[in-house]
Amino acid sequence: DTGVSQNPRHKITKRGQNVTFRCDPISEHNRLYWYRQTLGQGPEFLTYFQNEAQLEKSRLLSDRFSAERPKGSFSTLEIQRTEQGDSAMYLCASSPRPQETQYFGPGTRLLVL
Amino acid sequence: GIQVEQSPPDLILQEGANSTLRCNFSDSVNNLQWFHQNPWGQLINLFYIPSGTKQNGRLSATTVATERYSLLYISSSQTTDSGVYFCAVEAYSGAGSYQLTFGKGTKLSVIP
Repeated sequence: DTGVSQNPRHKITKRGQNVTFRCDPISEHNRLYWYRQTLGQGPEFLTYFQNEAQLEKSRLLSDRFSAERPKGSFSTLEIQRTEQGDSAMYLCASSPRPQETQYFGPGTRLLVL
Repeated sequence: GIQVEQSPPDLILQEGANSTLRCNFSDSVNNLQWFHQNPWGQLINLFYIPSGTKQNGRLSATTVATERYSLLYISSSQTTDSGVYFCAVEAYSGAGSYQLTFGKGTKLSVIP
């Protein structure tokens, strides 16, 4: 059990560029969550996958955001036409079953210039 | 949606002191987790505690679900305890997910 991993750990981009983040959950965890954390706040829910199906998306997830989880393994989160307001820590979490502990990855810190 | 309030927002302790952090939530929840976020941003699981009391070393937590609050106790604090402590409650969203709703955290600074 190597824990949840995320790549890259840091990303600096210019406004208008596209970025993609990757999350590898703990193996055999079929539930995967993305959260976003801005400075001084707690993480906020973005989206949820059960296996490969994206079952829920927050209103925070604008049309510029898209997430996938092909084959129910790793997940990617893409932000198109980045804006300065997208600067945040993007966190991924996984859990084996509902109502069990969610384990978080180290996060990807995005800075949009 | 569910509201989660944590208090105090900031706490400064002398090394060796004890502290109590509080988490209030506005509605019934399926579960509750306490996390410690280290200076590098990693969220470290402390407790998964829907009700009752749990202890792990110098840390313990109590959740009284019927009264909608949870407490995190830190005894004999150490400088390595510094960081932000988050309470997060889990509720079924109705769309299949048990998403976590976080409070704003308590920033703890332990000074030597």
